Formats: sequence, C-alpha cells, structure tokens
Amino acid sequence: QKEVEQNSGPLSVPEGAIASLNCTYSDRGSQSFFWYRQYSGKSPELIMFIYSNGDKEDGRFTAQLNKASQYVSLLIRDSQPSDSATYLCAAPSGGSYIPTFGRGTSLIVHP
Amino acid sequence: KAGVTQTPRYLIKTRGQQVTLSCSPISGHRSVSWYQQTPGQGLQFLFEYFSETQRNKGNFPGRFSGRQFSNSRSEMNVSTLELGDSALYLCASSSGVGDDTEAFFGQGTRLTVV
Repeated sequence: QKEVEQNSGPLSVPEGAIASLNCTYSDRGSQSFFWYRQYSGKSPELIMFIYSNGDKEDGRFTAQLNKASQYVSLLIRDSQPSDSATYLCAAPSGGSYIPTFGRGTSLIVHP
Repeated sequence: KAGVTQTPRYLIKTRGQQVTLSCSPISGHRSVSWYQQTPGQGLQFLFEYFSETQRNKGNFPGRFSGRQFSNSRSEMNVSTLELGDSALYLCASSSGVGDDTEAFFGQGTRLTVV
C-alpha cells in the first residue's frame, strides 16, 4: 500500500510566523505532488503543485520537494488567522495518476 | 468558467436505502473521481471515470458504483446503505490526460445514514 503520511497536528503558530507543513511519501515513482487546503465544512482547494526537486513559490506559499528523501513540504510565510485550516498533501502512486491523500495537518494561526 | 457542481449538498437516508449523488465537472474535463471523506479515514478514493468508462477503482465494496455520461457528468450510487456510509462524498474533476493531473473538487455531498 503506497502511503502519504502527514502529522495530524494541530500545528499552532502565531500570526506573522512561518508555518511549516511536512509530508512524506513511500512511492519513489511519484512524480507530482499537490497541496490542498480544506476549511472546516468545506471541500479541498488546490493551492500548490510541484513536479521538480527544489522550491516553488507562489505568493506567501512555498512548496519544497526532495525526491531523494521522499518528502514534500509547504511553507506559509506571514501566517494569517485565515490560513487556519487542514492542509492535505497528495501524490499519485502505484503507477496511477490518481492522487493518494495524506490525512492532513490541522494548522491554527492565532492572533 | 464554472467549477465542479455536486448535488444534492445534504442528504439524510435510513439504513438499507439507496442513494444517488451527482457531479458535473469543469467544462472540458473528462475525468471525474469520487472520494469518501470521514474523520477517521481521511480522504479515500472510490473510483474514477473517464470518457464514460471506469478507469480506476479503489477498495470499496460493490455497493458503491458509478457511471459517467457522454457530457462527462457522473453519478455515484450507494445501495443498501449502512451507518458507516455516513460521510462527505467529494467528486474531483480533471482533464485526465497527459501530465495534467491537477484535480479540482466540488463542494461535496454530506450523507447522513440513520
């Protein structure tokens, strides 16, 4: 069973700090990685995707991929209370492009 | 352009009944995937349809089935409902071709089985 693992949290950070969310995956064949944000009672929303080793930046969000170590992370700079949500990591695995989701990390940004 | 539309948003059913959920993908997207989300199990993949054919299937019993129409709209059916089927059912739309694998979710259908 190919796995995508995340710490369930909650991860609590003060407003303005950097929130660091981590994800590990077991399938070395995975080529693409996605971060979704899910507010309570809402559906997941795609916020970042990354295919290549290294960093990808989009506004306050930076995704980092290290294929050798099989981890992908999401950094949120200048965290805001509105960033409080569950963040889901996903990666296609098992030769399929259907993403396997981690169980998500709950992020709480307190004022 | 319009997003992914799921109907109905909420459903309450009793054990033993069956239910049909609907999903209209983003215009031009041919792949529709269905997921079950529960607090205990997270987001679990049910199946994926592409061009009216089931292309991938997760590890759910045969009570869960689906289909896709020529306009890419998809339906999911659950027969003989059990209490454990209570969950948020999400569909995801993607192009389903090449390396373009980004999936966009609908608002979900909250199913409660009593």
